[in-house]
Amino acid sequence: DSGVTQTPKHLITATGQRVTLRCSPRSGDLSVYWYQQSLDQGLQFLIQYYNGEERAKGNILERFSAQQFPDLHSELNLSSLELGDSALYFCASSDTGAPSDTQYFGPGTRLTVL
Amino acid sequence: AQKVTQAQTEISVVEKEDVTLDCVYETRDTTYYLFWYKQPPSGELVFLIRRNSFDEQNEISGRYSWNFQKSTSSFNFTITASQVVDSAVYFCAVGGHNFNKFYFGSGTKLNVKP
Repeated sequence: DSGVTQTPKHLITATGQRVTLRCSPRSGDLSVYWYQQSLDQGLQFLIQYYNGEERAKGNILERFSAQQFPDLHSELNLSSLELGDSALYFCASSDTGAPSDTQYFGPGTRLTVL
Repeated sequence: AQKVTQAQTEISVVEKEDVTLDCVYETRDTTYYLFWYKQPPSGELVFLIRRNSFDEQNEISGRYSWNFQKSTSSFNFTITASQVVDSAVYFCAVGGHNFNKFYFGSGTKLNVKP
């Protein structure tokens, strides 16, 4: 158990809808990362937050947004969903947010868009 | 742009054989980080190792070892005396001094047969 929790585990929704994925980092970790793993695109880094502020941005679509709250949990919002957004979404956390950190991954949220 | 090539899509070995997973990367950054992750059949992602570009020392951790060669832009991963529990997809990744440029390879699926 990495100490990172993600909810929900599974999510099934329809095209055009909006969903919110939630991540709670390990106790003491200030940085949260979001990744997407799909059959088409493979594993991709989406976005990183550190202590509430966006620190780095990867291949995140404009339809997607994220935030990190004062209690350090993070939410990834996906809107106007398309079939291609079906994927496994991982959250990870680390203490300082530096590339030299060890990242701890949550179990993932599997999103299915029908 | 960063890029990671894992040319071996799938490898099958028999338990106790040694196996090397290849990773070739491209980057224009002078400071960068290299990573390996494991994704077992259960689906979670596990961080294995991180290397920075200034440290070309090979690393050994139990049955795992990593060979970083800057001259050939390679960061190969060897499992000695493989075990069935090593069966997983292994991902190599490269990142810059921050996560704005962070890319995964397509992964190598390792099957270790008893």
